[in-house]
Amino acid sequence: DQQVKQNSPSLSVQEGRISILNCDYTNSMFDYFLWYKKYPAEGPTFLISISSIKDKNEDGRFTVFLNKSAKHLSLHIVPSQPGDSAVYFCAASHMDSNYQLIWGAGTKLIIKP
Amino acid sequence: GAGVSQTPSNKVTEKGKYVELRCDPISGHTALYWYRQSLGQGPEFLIYFQGTGAADDSGLPNDRFFAVRPEGSVSTLKIQRTERGDSAVYLCASSTTLAGELFFGEGSRLTVL
Repeated sequence: DQQVKQNSPSLSVQEGRISILNCDYTNSMFDYFLWYKKYPAEGPTFLISISSIKDKNEDGRFTVFLNKSAKHLSLHIVPSQPGDSAVYFCAASHMDSNYQLIWGAGTKLIIKP
Repeated sequence: GAGVSQTPSNKVTEKGKYVELRCDPISGHTALYWYRQSLGQGPEFLIYFQGTGAADDSGLPNDRFFAVRPEGSVSTLKIQRTERGDSAVYLCASSTTLAGELFFGEGSRLTVL
């Protein structure tokens, strides 16, 4: 039973346009959400996070939106750059075991020049 | 470098053999985590150390898997009687505090033939 789902295995976006990556979750106990970025042959690196008390968090070109009623979050990248091409993972945790991240399967983002 | 270091980067072994995977966390990070990532999936939590003790080993799939961190720094993940289903990338991460930002190593890719 996947508690965190990323339904798009891949996404292709033109350079300069907006990239929108989606993530759905089923466990209403989740209260903290993170996005990680992963290049081939490297470990995941933290990108941005959001607490369940907020509905938006912004960091430069990256914005994460959280819709608790829909149990949905999204990552917006604007403008998209070639270096953004990577696999993006959504992860979640809840306060009872906030060190234990539950991960989605990832979405491979390809930025076309 | 100053990041999380994992060795070996690649390990090919035969079914039934014993394997050890090593993780050297960032200096000063007290929390250390092991995750396993199978092909096409997100990382899956295995075990978490706070200092020398395994604070939560609930993610270890069975008793063939064991991990130690005897001096509160380097950790070794040990897999006995390996099976083909153990083939995956084993990721190690560390953080300064419980549930702090995770810094991942590049992973150890284990292939069981």
